[in-house]
Parts: sequence; C-alpha cells; structure tokens
Amino acid sequence: AQSVSQHNHHVILSEAASLELGCNYSYGGTVNLFWYVQYPGQHLQLLLKYFSGDPLVKGIKGFEAEFIKSKFSFNLRKPSVQWSDTAEYFCAVIQGGTSYGKLTFGQGTILTVHP
Amino acid sequence: GAVVSQHPSRVICKSGTSVKIECRSLDFQATTMFWYRQFPKKSLMLMATSNEGSKATYEQGVEKDKFLINHASLTLSTLTVTSAHPEDSSFYICSALDSRTYEQYFGPGTRLTVT
Repeated sequence: AQSVSQHNHHVILSEAASLELGCNYSYGGTVNLFWYVQYPGQHLQLLLKYFSGDPLVKGIKGFEAEFIKSKFSFNLRKPSVQWSDTAEYFCAVIQGGTSYGKLTFGQGTILTVHP
Repeated sequence: GAVVSQHPSRVICKSGTSVKIECRSLDFQATTMFWYRQFPKKSLMLMATSNEGSKATYEQGVEKDKFLINHASLTLSTLTVTSAHPEDSSFYICSALDSRTYEQYFGPGTRLTVT
C-alpha cells in the first residue's frame, strides 16, 4: 500500500536557521506531491506542489521542495526560518498522476522556531 | 484563497447518539469532497470520498453504516456519525475539490467528543 514517511516528528530551530524536512513515499508509479502547513488553530493550507516539470518547486513564504525520483523523496527546505513558521507540516502524495485524487498524508512534523 | 467551512467546530455528545457535521465550500463548486480523521499526534487518515449526487466511496476499514455521508449539492457535504461511541472521539476534517482548478481546500476541522 502507498505510504508517506516524514522522518522527524518534532524539529526545534532558532530564527534564521536553515530548515530541511524529509519526506519519502513508497509508490513507484507517477505521483503528485504536496506540502501542507497547519498553523496553530488554523486549517491546513497548501505550501507547494509538484505535478511535473522542474523538480525544484518554489512555494509560498520562501519555502521550496525538491523532487528526487530516484530517492522517492520530496524534502521541504527554507534557507532562514522565522518565528512565524512555527506550525505542523505535512507531506502528501496523490498516486496515479491525477491532480485531484485521494491524498495520502505523512505523519506530520511539528516545527518550533524560537525567536 | 477559496474557503471551506465546517460546522460545528466542536461538539460533545453522549454515547449512542448521532452527530452531523457539515462541510461547505463557500465560494466555489465542489463535485468532490473528502472526509479525513486525525488522531492525536498522527496524520490525517482518509475516511471517504464524497461525490455530489452519488454514493460516497469509503476507504478500507471505514464502516459506511456508521459514518453516513451525503453530498446533496455542489457546495455541501455532511458526515453523520451514527450511534457514537467514545472511540469515535476525534478531529474530523473535510476538504473540497474545486471543480474548475482541481485544487483541494481544507476546512478547519470539527472536534468530536463522545462521553
């Protein structure tokens, strides 16, 4: 069965530190990849997505992610985090190459940024 | 961005009673909506896909007679937890698929507590 793995449950950083959150998936076929963010008390919001083309995807708020097909990975990065980035981050996959199918989520990574 | 609302945001009910949760897309039409369940410190688990005008498609292990889904219009899907038990206590989240852009938008979630 399709699965999505996020390596870190909780990451703690100081402001201006660089961030990389790992995400691996198990499906071998065509996939669409997503990163969602959930700020405290708010609903899930889309950070960025990959459907095809350039494997380096830029999203909102300075986030980017790189799709490495050979490693089945889609890691999220930000060069310099801010206190306001404190949130929970979810990697998600849709298999089959459709942009509107069922999302399979990773376990989530809580990011805490200290000022 | 597009807005999806859920009502109620929190509900407490007694064991054996039924609870209805509404999911509305406020400024777009959604032929497809998804219902998720989120356990503490765990990821979102897809329960079912709700399609306007047809029967919902349930994921493996989800009891369709317990979790009744109705998608009567292009902007409203409801999830009814029937004969609720304490183990049904959870955070239920819906998402709506914008029929024009195929982007998924998430509701803020409903916290159900069964006593």
